[in-house]
Amino acid sequence: SAVISQKPSRDICQRGTSLTIQCQVDSQVTMMFWYRQQPGQSLTLIATANQGSEATYESGFVIDKFPISRPNLTFSTLTVSNMSPEDSSIYLCSVDLNLGELFFGEGSRLTVL
Amino acid sequence: DQQVKQNSPSLSVQEGRISILNCDYTNSMFDYFLWYKKYPAEGPTFLISISSIKDKNEDGRFTVFLNKSAKHLSLHIVPSQPGDSAVYFCAASETGTYKYIFGTGTRLKVLA
Repeated sequence: SAVISQKPSRDICQRGTSLTIQCQVDSQVTMMFWYRQQPGQSLTLIATANQGSEATYESGFVIDKFPISRPNLTFSTLTVSNMSPEDSSIYLCSVDLNLGELFFGEGSRLTVL
Repeated sequence: DQQVKQNSPSLSVQEGRISILNCDYTNSMFDYFLWYKKYPAEGPTFLISISSIKDKNEDGRFTVFLNKSAKHLSLHIVPSQPGDSAVYFCAASETGTYKYIFGTGTRLKVLA
């Protein structure tokens, strides 16, 4: 299994500001992902964080809005830029250890006023 | 287009009885399915999975059934316990891809 730590666990932000969420894994992993869960919605994949190269974004998500860093095999950050109330969500970091399941962090609950 | 659907947003069950959570999918290429449980303020945790070569997988109190022709899977919890109260997500994946498509979740409440 994997232990995944996310910071911050929650935050309240003002419209137009940006927030960076950190994800630390206790072991080296190849596949690391960022998901979003909007209120009452499913978990939606934002992007795959690739070590040493640009992240791979899913349809509907762009790098300018959600820049991602992956400096090594145990760490990644997701920035939510120029936030609006529609960005209020739980943001989840996850890893695939090729064991047939995804492991998730505890999530970062973001509220934008 | 929601490829994985959980049509029941909530379910209440008496302690000791069976809980049945349902999930439907539309993409016939999906061949691997998972169930996750999520408590408030925690990330989802893996419960049980099933490959499309099977129609049933059991792990303790949890059993997942897959009906490929109907594109339907269900999670049975028996007996249900108050600690099972959580939101349950089903997810589907296609072999060779890294993407998991999640349903919208069903909130299960087990009444003591």
